[in-house]
Amino acid sequence: SYVLTQPPSVSVAPGQTARITCGGNDIGSKSVHWYQQKPGQAPVLVVYDDSDRPSGIPERFSGSNSGNTATLTISRVEAGDEADFYCQVWDSSSDSYVVFGGGTKLTVL
Amino acid sequence: QVQLQESGPGLVKPSETLSLTCTVSGGSISRYYWSWMRQPPGKGLEWIGYVYSSGDTNYNPSLKSRLTISIDTSKNQFSLKLRSVTAADTAVYYCARTTVNTLRFDPWGQGTLVTVSS
Repeated sequence: SYVLTQPPSVSVAPGQTARITCGGNDIGSKSVHWYQQKPGQAPVLVVYDDSDRPSGIPERFSGSNSGNTATLTISRVEAGDEADFYCQVWDSSSDSYVVFGGGTKLTVL
Repeated sequence: QVQLQESGPGLVKPSETLSLTCTVSGGSISRYYWSWMRQPPGKGLEWIGYVYSSGDTNYNPSLKSRLTISIDTSKNQFSLKLRSVTAADTAVYYCARTTVNTLRFDPWGQGTLVTVSS
């Protein structure tokens, strides 16, 4: 089965740039989606198809995907960005199913 | 805009069947997949499966033997049944609209906690 690997935690000071990685075998050939989940709330899609943003998501959120690593970048980090972030792909190569990364806790110092 | 709302019992006994319904409002249930996910307390997200408006389904292989997802287009609802539950099935269960091409989830319901306990 396909595995997505995320760092458990990332810490950044306000105003700085946070980068959250998602590793997977040849992930660059797949479409990667990213979700933000604040405590007690449902996940919210913040980046889809590697680098597109849904309406209403600030331009500070961006994504990239190449080789074996996809990256979610949050520029000019704010205290309100503190949350868990999950990457997700659809693995159509085997049993054709959806895979989530283990999640990364973003802490704003 | 489209909104989703989960409903069902918050407590299920071990070995029994967990049943949840997701009601879709503000849009048609056609031309999308509709998915269920779950999140055990303090843990990450797990995809359970999806159903299309035609009734076609795709399930997580690890749950497939215990799972049925169905859809009622006349009521704009889709449902989850998970049989023979154990404590390991205790989780917040979410429903979400799912795009057909790259299977992204947007939007999600608020989630409902289901506890498996006697």
